[in-house]
Amino acid sequence: QQQVKQSPQSLIVQKGGISIINCAYENTAFDYFPWYQQFPGKGPALLIAIRPDVSEKKEGRFTISFNKSAKQFSLHIMDSQPGDSATYFCAASMKETSGSRLTFGEGTQLTVNP
Amino acid sequence: DGGITQSPKYLFRKEGQNVTLSCEQNLNHDAMYWYRQDPGQGLRLIYYSQIVNDFQKGDIAEGYSVSREKKESFPLTVTSAQKNPTAFYLCASRGPGTGMGYEQYFGPGTRLTVT
Repeated sequence: QQQVKQSPQSLIVQKGGISIINCAYENTAFDYFPWYQQFPGKGPALLIAIRPDVSEKKEGRFTISFNKSAKQFSLHIMDSQPGDSATYFCAASMKETSGSRLTFGEGTQLTVNP
Repeated sequence: DGGITQSPKYLFRKEGQNVTLSCEQNLNHDAMYWYRQDPGQGLRLIYYSQIVNDFQKGDIAEGYSVSREKKESFPLTVTSAQKNPTAFYLCASRGPGTGMGYEQYFGPGTRLTVT
């Protein structure tokens, strides 16, 4: 099964708070898990990505936590800012098949209130 | 200035007409992809191409066609057979050996409205 399930669908956080978005996958052959950030009317931009051989990756205020046994991964945005308000997509890919095609979650619309 | 360009940004067509969306990249990437995005949904793969003169169907290829005659270009044609063509269309490309090797970079998108 190729699905990636993402939650919540929408999230409202106060400025300075922590935003947490979760994703779950079924196919254990996935070996690359990126997060994309998309502003209205724009194309998605790669934010951060992780391979399953590590449990956590941090880049600035953004952290991916990865739980291989549970087949889950999450994005944490620390000290959330109004400029972080956007739609976030998780995705998964497996290099060895189908041209490294990405399977996307449904997206989470994040609103950070000032 | 390297990147992916899509044109036009907005496109309006009458039902029953074919329309071609442009995607150009100057990143020297081998692989290119077309996705469709509908409100409140994730991106769905239409077609992808790993090398020139070769392409494969994605999950929702019906009613669409592509060509890959040049490395830099991967145009998408939305045919009259596509039952619900109004959507936001995104093109992406991926190059070898970048970071983890899987990164896809997206263009700014074309919003197609068919009435």
